[in-house]
This record gives sequence, C-alpha cells and structure tokens, in this order.
Amino acid sequence: DGGITQSPKYLFRKEGQNVTLSCEQNLNHDAMYWYRQDPGQGLRLIYYSQIVNDFQKGDIAEGYSVSREKKESFPLTVTSAQKNPTAFYLCASSEQGLDIQYFGAGTRLSVL
Amino acid sequence: GESVGLHLPTLSVQEGDNSIINCAYSNSASDYFIWYKQESGKGPQFIIDIRSNMDKRQGQRVTVLLNKTVKHLSLQIAATQPGDSAVYFCAENIGGGSQGNLIFGKGTKLSVKP
Repeated sequence: DGGITQSPKYLFRKEGQNVTLSCEQNLNHDAMYWYRQDPGQGLRLIYYSQIVNDFQKGDIAEGYSVSREKKESFPLTVTSAQKNPTAFYLCASSEQGLDIQYFGAGTRLSVL
Repeated sequence: GESVGLHLPTLSVQEGDNSIINCAYSNSASDYFIWYKQESGKGPQFIIDIRSNMDKRQGQRVTVLLNKTVKHLSLQIAATQPGDSAVYFCAENIGGGSQGNLIFGKGTKLSVKP
C-alpha cells in the first residue's frame, strides 16, 4: 500500500452518528485525497488537500468534513448529514506537482 | 470479500494469452493518463502512465497505447497470469499537477482462467 495507512479496515455507523476514517502517509507527500467508491462506479473525489491547513471540496463533499493539521495525516469525518454513507473509502497521496496518486488499502463503511 | 467489480464490463482470458483492456476518455484537453489495478478489497495500484505527447509506452509485461484522435486508451498485458485478475481503471488528468483533477473510469474486470 505504498506507505499509506488507512484505518480501520471495516467501520460500522449507527444512524445519526459521525464517524472518522483515518489516513496516514509516511511518503512525505504534500497532496492528499479522499475518494468514495461504489460498486460499478469509478472513484469519486470527496476532498483533497495540497498543503497543510488547506483543503478543497471535490465533487461529492456534502455530508463529509476533513482536516489537515499535519502533513502526514488527512482524516475524513462522515457526518450524520451523509444519508447514504455505505461505500468503500480510499485515501491517496501524491507529490506536489506530480500526477501519480498512491492509494491506501481502503475502509469499508457500513450502516447498522 | 468485498467486490468493486459488480456490474462492470468483464474480460475473461485464458492464462498465457494476451489481454487488451480499453478505455474511452472524455476530455480532449486531458494530457496525462494512468492505469491502475485494483484487487478485491484493496486499494488501486499504479501500473503505468503515459503523457499526451506519446502514443505508446511499455513496462514490464504491459503496454499502454494512446489514440488521441478517437480519445481512446488501451492497456495490453502480455502472457496474462492468474495474479493479473483484478479490476483495471484508467484515469485522466485534464489539468496536470496535483490539483484533484484525476478523473477515473468505471473499470473493467479481468478474469484469468487457469
């Protein structure tokens, strides 16, 4: 998984609950990304961050929040406002100015 | 285990044969393309990339072909092995640089029969 660690591997959310997915990288990459993957669909961008303390919304940011307080960490919170959170969540990172994104192993989120 | 291959186009090949996986991209301004491999329950792995100023690039057992005229990308895998079974995605970058501009295709599921 190229130095990108996502945890937990499986996560269950109760209705009305916020949950946080962890993503840590030791590649010294500036840029980090969160994607959502649903069966039969391509990866959809939730949020990305090019530098510490800065992040941008992707295509499907509603119901999600992120922070980037440290270069190596980019946690994603799935809030209660996200009504259909069941999916496979992937975190990626890349060197600033380069296009190749390297992915973690993913977190599968399900609703109880 | 988890499946990211539901409802995807599927290519079934015999072990030892060559595989060709195709991808049509949408934006004529895209200048960089990547192929990823994703095994069930895992994150995508980088396979090979190509810039728009090239029409062919070769790696170990893999070749990527780019036809900008028809906006088509293909991944050729030589002597396909059971370990090649996975979902393969192409991704295009319309702007260059790490700006969240990678657009991913839905993927093709490759199944290798022993």
